[in-house]
Amino acid sequence: EVQLLESGGGFVQPGGSLRLSCAASGFTFSSHAMNWVRQAPGKGLEWVSAISGSGGSTYYADSVKGRFTISRDNFENTLHLQMNSLTAEDTALYYCAKEAAGIAVAGTFDPWGQGTLVTVSS
Amino acid sequence: DIRVTQSPSSLSASVGNRVTITCRASQSISNYLNWYQQKPGKAPKLLIYAASSLQSGVPSRFSGGGSGTDFTLTISSLQPEDFATYYCQQSYSIPLTFGGGTKVEIK
Repeated sequence: EVQLLESGGGFVQPGGSLRLSCAASGFTFSSHAMNWVRQAPGKGLEWVSAISGSGGSTYYADSVKGRFTISRDNFENTLHLQMNSLTAEDTALYYCAKEAAGIAVAGTFDPWGQGTLVTVSS
Repeated sequence: DIRVTQSPSSLSASVGNRVTITCRASQSISNYLNWYQQKPGKAPKLLIYAASSLQSGVPSRFSGGGSGTDFTLTISSLQPEDFATYYCQQSYSIPLTFGGGTKVEIK
């Protein structure tokens, strides 16, 4: 069974940093692209970032470009999201999601983890 | 960026009703359209991919249709466990974008 377990969320002041992690199991991690998708409290879904299975290709939403960095460790089966220069607009539940199609980023998310909450506030 | 617009934003329906949700893309996206279901406090779940392909394990009362710019998600006979929020999402180009969601409530 595929399992995705996010961690690293918490409370941070504006301008601060956090590093999220997503531990994956139940599938060949390096064979699948991975994504981060966020959901602000009471709001809809927003795609944040994606990375290919090899880690060689990365993609970002304009709202986080230059501030967030996605990476992966295919030996440890772990996905990361380094978040810098955080603002209140980054407050959200952050989900990691496996690319259903395979090693390339194709934009179909299945399954999703349960999410880790990031709160940015002074 | 491709904008994805869902309608309605909410609807009330009874068990057994047929429900249709629509999704419109701001430009043609062929069949690069996915549908997700999200229940309160839970992560989204993939229902339909490539506009009309049913994800494994999803009940056959769910169906998707459309291509180009206009798409539909239909629940043929609404069940109690189907009350949730539904999102469409285009996978044609990056940035990947979601519709605003449709909340299906009990009438």
